[in-house]
Amino acid sequence: QVQLVESGGGVAQPGRSLRLSCAASGFTFRSYGLHWVRRTPGKGLEWVALVSSDGSEKYYAGSVKGRFTISRDNSKSTVYVQMNSLRVEDTAVYYCARDRDGYGNFDFWGQGTLVTVSP
Amino acid sequence: NFVLTQPHSVSESPGRTVTISCTGSGGSFASTSVQWYQQRPGSAPTIVIHDDDQRPSGVPDRFSGSTDSSANSASLTISGLKTEDEADYYCQSYDTYNSHVVFGGGTKLTVL
Repeated sequence: QVQLVESGGGVAQPGRSLRLSCAASGFTFRSYGLHWVRRTPGKGLEWVALVSSDGSEKYYAGSVKGRFTISRDNSKSTVYVQMNSLRVEDTAVYYCARDRDGYGNFDFWGQGTLVTVSP
Repeated sequence: NFVLTQPHSVSESPGRTVTISCTGSGGSFASTSVQWYQQRPGSAPTIVIHDDDQRPSGVPDRFSGSTDSSANSASLTISGLKTEDEADYYCQSYDTYNSHVVFGGGTKLTVL
């Protein structure tokens, strides 16, 4: 069965960095685009970033562009997001999600990992 | 930018029917599709409707989706409400101009 397992969350001070990982199994990883989506306290779901199936295309929400970098390693069936220059407003549960058709049609989600940015 | 607007909250009694709206601005549903996700407290989102009106396997047929291109809006209807349907519901689409995914602000459904 399809599984997405996030890791790497924790507490960081503003301005510091964290790297999240999402390990996938149960499907042909290299055939699907992968996204990071976050749920912030009181604000709902916010799309963060997308990496295409072969890693050649990457897109970012304006709120994270220039600070976050999404990447993938198809040999390890893992997608990453490197989060630099963290801000308090980046505090959220971060989910990775599989895109079934390349247009943000998320058919499977991970369980999420909590990132807390606090002085 | 494509923006999706949902009501903040709706409430209805068990057994009744509720419809949650999602109105688009700055983009068109006619050029893309709409998905709906359910998120219960403490859990990850799950998809309940994809491609405007398609129900994934395992989702009860009490859930249905529709779009109105002329109004640039989409709707999620849940009939025969159950207490287990109490959750946050999000519409989601895709901005073809900048290849960004967009979510509505979410609607908290209370079944009481």
